[in-house]
Amino acid sequence: QKEVEQNSGPLSVPEGAIASLNCTYSDRVSQSFFWYRQYSGKSPELIMSIYSNGDKEDGRFTAQLNKASQYVSLLIRDSQPSDSATYLCAVNNRDDKIIFGKGTRLHILP
Amino acid sequence: EADIYQTPRYLVIGTGKKITLECSQTMGHDKMYWYQQDPGMELHLIHYSYGVNSTEKGDLSSESTVSRIRTEHFPLTLESARPSHTSQYLCASSELSGSGANVLTFGAGSRLTVL
Repeated sequence: QKEVEQNSGPLSVPEGAIASLNCTYSDRVSQSFFWYRQYSGKSPELIMSIYSNGDKEDGRFTAQLNKASQYVSLLIRDSQPSDSATYLCAVNNRDDKIIFGKGTRLHILP
Repeated sequence: EADIYQTPRYLVIGTGKKITLECSQTMGHDKMYWYQQDPGMELHLIHYSYGVNSTEKGDLSSESTVSRIRTEHFPLTLESARPSHTSQYLCASSELSGSGANVLTFGAGSRLTVL
């Protein structure tokens, strides 16, 4: 079982709709969770971090964490064409390494 | 703008050559990392360092080596490049957030092609 799992997509969402991205992780001890955005040919950039169960909102982005289910999600409201990218879920595991999932390709349809 | 710099950005080299990918950061971060990423694929941790004179291998086996003689500098070396080493190499450093988590900042990457 991979440490961090994501559906690779592509996920196609109409402009203005809500995009929902999901991630599961295997290490129950993990305490820190991150969402990075990576445009084609570019480096990843941090969008959100979350450490406690529940929701964390930042502008159009909401991260959700459920440690009991070992599940992290990212919601993007009012999706824009500029949101089209690959979204990487990352987890700080028990060895203090930051492990990435394969990423979900998101395509916002104009 | 990220204060972490990688050189060269692009490198095309023949098999058997020795190469060094440079990575420098001006943020004073103790932790630094090298990830390898093939096009459209996931990032794999190949090396990391918690500070000067500290280096560890990551989860993906790599024939490369690293050194950390200065806090700001974390070069990656391949003694004898092979076509299987063709990939994108991403350097990152991290600081502890207020919640105690490692938040990564990435460099622009070095795209290596070995012929």
